[in-house]
Amino acid sequence: ETGVTQSPTHLIKTRGQQVTLRCSSQSGHNTVSWYQQALGQGPQFIFQYYREEENGRGNFPPRFSGLQFPNYSSELNVNALELDDSALYLCASSLGQGAVSSPLHFGNGTRLTVT
Amino acid sequence: AQTVTQSQPEMSVQEAETVTLSCTYDTSESDYYLFWYKQPPSRQMILVIRQEAYKQQNATENRFSVNFQKAAKSFSLKISDSQLGDAAMYFCAYREYLNDKIIFGKGTRLHILP
Repeated sequence: ETGVTQSPTHLIKTRGQQVTLRCSSQSGHNTVSWYQQALGQGPQFIFQYYREEENGRGNFPPRFSGLQFPNYSSELNVNALELDDSALYLCASSLGQGAVSSPLHFGNGTRLTVT
Repeated sequence: AQTVTQSQPEMSVQEAETVTLSCTYDTSESDYYLFWYKQPPSRQMILVIRQEAYKQQNATENRFSVNFQKAAKSFSLKISDSQLGDAAMYFCAYREYLNDKIIFGKGTRLHILP
């Protein structure tokens, strides 16, 4: 069973640039969620994708966008990077089944630094 | 809006001793899930234990157990026989019953003293 993998592990970008982070979900999982974890804080929900469609969004501006592919892998795109976007970005996959809750399996995250 | 509060930014415990991490939450829902996650320096969030709100019995997983007080909206984690490998950030988290969005607290850093 392959776990959740994220790439890259670290990334440095300049303010105003755009970035794409990638996530491969655990085998058999059809739901991917993205979280932003600022230094010293708990993760904050960005959005979730279920079967290639956005299925819930947190309090993040539209410059945070995502995609889910037919193999259930996912991308997080951030446009017009700001210094405050510096954070650890966590991807989590699960087997979304509506009323049946399955545990989230997290990746090791991508550390994004914006200078 | 739901909130999760962890009032202990850091805690220390002697190896082999017992420690309790506190968590309170706020919600108007009656059905939900509560979790404790562990985040070691490797950064990966690891599920430690979970509790369904409709279950009165407190969840246990080996050395880890919770004290779930639904009326008080309290959900503490007890770690027995603390081991060096337990050193990590611990996050209390809340999840609605029909929603995969998880709300995390700010975390408690646990140090294990040899």
